[in-house]
Amino acid sequence: AQTVTQSQPEMSVQEAETVTLSCTYDTSENNYYLFWYKQPPSRQMILVIRQEAYKQQNATENRFSVNFQKAAKSFSLKISDSQLGDTAMYFCALLNSGYSTLTFGKGTMLLVSP
Amino acid sequence: EPEVTQTPSHQVTQMGQEVILRCVPISNHLYFYWYRQILGQKVEFLVSFYNNEISEKSEIFDDQFSVERPDGSNFTLKIRSTKLEDSAMYFCASSEAGNLGYGYTFGSGTRLTVV
Repeated sequence: AQTVTQSQPEMSVQEAETVTLSCTYDTSENNYYLFWYKQPPSRQMILVIRQEAYKQQNATENRFSVNFQKAAKSFSLKISDSQLGDTAMYFCALLNSGYSTLTFGKGTMLLVSP
Repeated sequence: EPEVTQTPSHQVTQMGQEVILRCVPISNHLYFYWYRQILGQKVEFLVSFYNNEISEKSEIFDDQFSVERPDGSNFTLKIRSTKLEDSAMYFCASSEAGNLGYGYTFGSGTRLTVV
């Protein structure tokens, strides 16, 4: 069975600063995908960024980037130039290739303050 | 950008009543899912649906639950006899066949409150 662990229940950052959210996972599969989802107060789940396990290059989407360390089974999210609209719950998730079940972590609540 | 639409956004029901949560997945997606999130807890997988049948389901998805694609556009989750512990946010999601690694598109959720 696969697991996803987010060890930071809450994080705070000031506007324009950089913050890193941690995620570790465990899976016996060699091919899998990792995701970060954002859940703002509206409760919608929004895909922020994805990483394919067989790609060594870290994914980047504008201000969002990941640090993917496959050997350590670590997948952290870095948010640069934080904005007030980044305030949300952030979930790390794992999808084993060939399966359709996303496994989520418990989430990290990020608060961006002025 | 295509969206997954869920209705209603909020449903209040009495314990023991049946509820049907509705979802309209993205039109060219072939895989459909239901997840739930009890307040303050992690998002949990309930069921996946492909080619008009359940492809995977979790332990949570017991005989109380059922899913259906009654027509070409809707995907529904029925809870036959609701319990207090069914109170949660229910998310529908869809994905393209063969592109599961691109992740799902989630709907905005239905907040179910059982009283």
